[in-house]
Amino acid sequence: AQKVTQAQTEISVVEKEDVTLDCVYETRDTTYYLFWYKQPPSGELVFLIRRNSFDEQNEISGRYSWNFQKSTSSFNFTITASQVVDSAVYFCALSEVTRGRDDKIIFGKGTRLHILP
Amino acid sequence: DAGITQSPRHKVTETGTPVTLRCHQTENHRYMYWYRQDPGHGLRLIHYSYGVKDTDKGEVSDGYSVSRSKTEDFLLTLESATSSQTSVYFCAITVGADYEQYFGPGTRLTVT
Repeated sequence: AQKVTQAQTEISVVEKEDVTLDCVYETRDTTYYLFWYKQPPSGELVFLIRRNSFDEQNEISGRYSWNFQKSTSSFNFTITASQVVDSAVYFCALSEVTRGRDDKIIFGKGTRLHILP
Repeated sequence: DAGITQSPRHKVTETGTPVTLRCHQTENHRYMYWYRQDPGHGLRLIHYSYGVKDTDKGEVSDGYSVSRSKTEDFLLTLESATSSQTSVYFCAITVGADYEQYFGPGTRLTVT
């Protein structure tokens, strides 16, 4: 069965520090997708990234970077030089792709990140 | 912005009453989803749809039903609302070959 674990319930860091949000997943499939979403205090869910299971290259987008390691079933998210606007709840998610149909996405419980000025 | 709207955005209702939430999309996407978000649980899938009249249950489907008679609309119905269904409900769609999932703005439902 699919499972996503975000062990860090809440993290607080001072602005400009780097911070890493952990995500560990479980799946029986060899083909799957991993996602990160941001939910700011305003409540909307913002898509950040999708990776498929065949692409283990790390990705960088501005101050954001993602480290995908199949060997440890992890898909960690790092914010470099954090800013107050990064304060949000961040969700990691997993989807298995089976029988050619879109499969449901399973979310972790989220990590609440506080960036202190 | 993937053209997703939800209505109503806020609703307070009494236990035992039926409630229908609407998700509307403007870009003809095939796959649509309903999630609920509760503290300590993250987002949990209620129901999803692969197309018109083609739906399936998610992990927390008890007490909910859905309908999709048109591509653009995905309705979530609480047949007889209970206090445990107080939650924020999000609709989502899957876009394109990159399988990116985008969410609507959410509906905050309170069952008293």
